[in-house]
Amino acid sequence: GAGVSQSPSNKVTEKGKDVELRCDPISGHTALYWYRQSLGQGLEFLIYFQGNSAPDKSGLPSDRFSAERTGGSVSTLTIQRTQQEDSAVYLCASTLAGVGDTQYFGPGTRLTVL
Amino acid sequence: GQSLEQPSEVTAVEGAIVQINCTYQTSGFYGLSWYQQHDGGAPTFLSYNALDGLEETGRFSSFLSRSDSYGYLLLQELQMKDSASYFCAVRDGAAGNKLTFGGGTRVLVKP
Repeated sequence: GAGVSQSPSNKVTEKGKDVELRCDPISGHTALYWYRQSLGQGLEFLIYFQGNSAPDKSGLPSDRFSAERTGGSVSTLTIQRTQQEDSAVYLCASTLAGVGDTQYFGPGTRLTVL
Repeated sequence: GQSLEQPSEVTAVEGAIVQINCTYQTSGFYGLSWYQQHDGGAPTFLSYNALDGLEETGRFSSFLSRSDSYGYLLLQELQMKDSASYFCAVRDGAAGNKLTFGGGTRVLVKP
């Protein structure tokens, strides 16, 4: 497809379970970002991948959160031992590095932890 | 660190003009962006200012004053479809293209 895609669109899980969220960026985009958005709030930066460089993990809220990007394309955000406060919409964005600040966002994954 | 402030909500009628202000405090600054997000939707890029001045794109304009650490988004000839949340965001060049977002301004357009 032409845009950023994310799966699943919705995820309901029980507290303590692990979840994996997937992001397919726009083809050719070298930079990929994960953000978290709680209801009615702004976007909170989580992690940033740029090409083959080491990712910027400065926004990850705890060591339960991790992400990887395979082959410079698809990325997976993993949350271990989910807590209720992890409930939010997780947004992925990609950009063509060096082109201003135009980040293209996916539709997000709505995570609900019961 | 980075912090951005913008009003939480603005209400206006169709055809009116709305200005959404954004003030920021950053350790580094390489540009101010604006994004629009409809309820349940993904943020979409509206504009980017790296230099002082006004950028105009159709009914929307964005302004930046680097000396004042201040910018605004101007929405003209408001339409019902402009009801959405609007976020300002700054790029810290030291962190590449990572963006720090403000809390968002919810714009409600009434008939």
